[in-house]
Amino acid sequence: EVQLVESGGGLVQPGRSLRLSCTASGFTFSDYAMTWVRQAPGKGLEWVGFIRSSAFGGTTEYAASLKGRFTISRDDSKSIAYLQMNSLKTEDTAVYHCSRPTSGFESRLLDSWGQGTLVAVSS
Amino acid sequence: QSALTQPASVSGSPGQSITISCSGTSSDVGGNDYVSWYQQLPGKAPRVMIYDVNNRPSGVSIRFSASKSGNTASLTISGLQAEDEADYYCTSYTTSSTLVFGTGTKVTVL
Repeated sequence: EVQLVESGGGLVQPGRSLRLSCTASGFTFSDYAMTWVRQAPGKGLEWVGFIRSSAFGGTTEYAASLKGRFTISRDDSKSIAYLQMNSLKTEDTAVYHCSRPTSGFESRLLDSWGQGTLVAVSS
Repeated sequence: QSALTQPASVSGSPGQSITISCSGTSSDVGGNDYVSWYQQLPGKAPRVMIYDVNNRPSGVSIRFSASKSGNTASLTISGLQAEDEADYYCTSYTTSSTLVFGTGTKVTVL
């Protein structure tokens, strides 16, 4: 059974940084791309970005509005995907989900999801 | 990349059919056949209901169907049931190799 468990969320002040982790199990992590999606309280889903599998260079793509502040990385030896968030703003407050696309190259179909971790940005 | 446009809410009585639209551009919905639909129950993670415009994953009821015409995709739920009450989101792959979500539609079963 595919399991994705996010961690690392919490309360953080504006301008600070936070790193989220997504620990995967139940599948060969290195074969798949990994995606981050967020949902602000009472709002819709927003695609954050994804990282391709190592077979495709582990390259990344990001939502244009977040490029430059957010960085996605992966450690295949630990089956963990990371989301590094810098210069956090109050509007980054959201539940952050990791999800697994069905391929190693792109993020177009997300068939497994974690329950999410809440990030609250506030002074 | 702007969010795809969906109606904020759609409602119907049990047994009726409802349709949710998802409007995009030639850079997303109209530019490929990689439109998906997700159901999100309150407090739960999303679940894919339709992929590649009109394909159902195993386990999804045949009451869910979808189509696309030009820059607009649509999801139809037939024989509406109380368990279908949820938020629904469309997504589309884009020409920039990114993914864009719709604004979301709350489905209410009257």
